[in-house]
Amino acid sequence: NAGVTQTPKFRILKIGQSMTLQCTQDMNHNYMYWYRQDPGMGLKLIYYSVGAGITDKGEVPNGYNVSRSTTEDFPLRLELAAPSQTSVYFCASCERQATNTEAFFGQGTRLTVV
Amino acid sequence: AQSVTQLGSHVSVSEGALVLLRCNYSSSVPPYLFWYVQYPNQGLQLLLKYTSAATLVKGINGFEAEFKKSETSFHLTKPSAHMSDAAEYFCAVRVPGSARQLTFGSGTQLTVLP
Repeated sequence: NAGVTQTPKFRILKIGQSMTLQCTQDMNHNYMYWYRQDPGMGLKLIYYSVGAGITDKGEVPNGYNVSRSTTEDFPLRLELAAPSQTSVYFCASCERQATNTEAFFGQGTRLTVV
Repeated sequence: AQSVTQLGSHVSVSEGALVLLRCNYSSSVPPYLFWYVQYPNQGLQLLLKYTSAATLVKGINGFEAEFKKSETSFHLTKPSAHMSDAAEYFCAVRVPGSARQLTFGSGTQLTVLP
């Protein structure tokens, strides 16, 4: 069972470069999320999606973009990388049918912007 | 809006001692509550969840948590710490009717001393 898969696991970017963090899930979950984790800050929601073609901003969306063309994939795009985007990024998914279900997380992408 | 406060960013216990990690929440409606554990360089794994079925919830690895509405708390406990419990622990809240997104506390790093 693959669950939620994120690629790459590690990446170093230079200021101003762009990249896409990939996330795919094989559980047919409708809901998907991107969080960033900074030391002592917990996880902050960047963007989320409740289904293919539908996305919405979370708590800290500035500097990021997302798309959801399929149920399985939810890529996160950084257009102009900045040092403030150095963080660990987690993708998660959740099923729609049960309101009390938990979110399932990927292994994370550790991004450094220099 | 809902919020979560974890008291104590670092907790140290001796092996075999009681583990107590504190979590208080704020929500205008009865929430769903979760505890996740994160081992070094790993994603988040669900320990247990409260979904209004029972106030005392048992999770994996011998952990349990008690929902106390009067105290707006959901503290995590384990009677006897093991070296393998060393990790970061996150409390999270979800408000019913939302797009299932979680609001996380800032995390508690648990150290187990031999």
